[in-house]
Amino acid sequence: DGGITQSPKYLFRKEGQNVTLSCEQNLNHDAMYWYRQDPGQGLRLIYYSQIVNDFQKGDIAEGYSVSREKKESFPLTVTSAQKNPTAFYLCASSISPGANTEAFFGQGTRLTVV
Amino acid sequence: GESVGLHLPTLSVQEGDNSIINCAYSNSASDYFIWYKQESGKGPQFIIDIRSNMDKRQGQRVTVLLNKTVKHLSLQIAATQPGDSAVYFCAETSNYGQNFVFGPGTRLSVLP
Repeated sequence: DGGITQSPKYLFRKEGQNVTLSCEQNLNHDAMYWYRQDPGQGLRLIYYSQIVNDFQKGDIAEGYSVSREKKESFPLTVTSAQKNPTAFYLCASSISPGANTEAFFGQGTRLTVV
Repeated sequence: GESVGLHLPTLSVQEGDNSIINCAYSNSASDYFIWYKQESGKGPQFIIDIRSNMDKRQGQRVTVLLNKTVKHLSLQIAATQPGDSAVYFCAETSNYGQNFVFGPGTRLSVLP
């Protein structure tokens, strides 16, 4: 059953801690993306990766880091430098950038700072 | 009717009526467009797409219209049902694009 899986579904972080959100896909997609969504708002791009071992900053990369060591995995770390991390985080993948095919989304991780 | 709330614009329609959700896109070089539906607490789901060499595409109960002259995209939902209540996003990209750019979204509320 192909798809994109995010874990955990809910995550609580204490102030000053780093946390890592998992994103795995078995669609054999080259491109992967991380978006942040705040209540009642649209999707803002954090980081994206077009190929293994390469990634680029999106519009709101400050306070976040990523890695792309494997094609199927694109974990996002929310660092203590991110001052307002409470949000809904969405991971997506697509066949390849510029291929003009849709992005597939995971079910999201809701991160709350306590 | 359509109104701009604190964040998302909201469209309220009666069950059984047709819905029209609009989106203005930003990049004249964009040549591929997608509509997504997002239910509360879930990830966006693909509804329908359209390429820039077309101005209309139909799916099951949904139609997307593209007006490249004014950079406008619309999603029409026929015979709107309670299950259509969600937030709808348009997205654009291009052959040269590195990623997808999403519109602000519209909340569709279906009234009984």
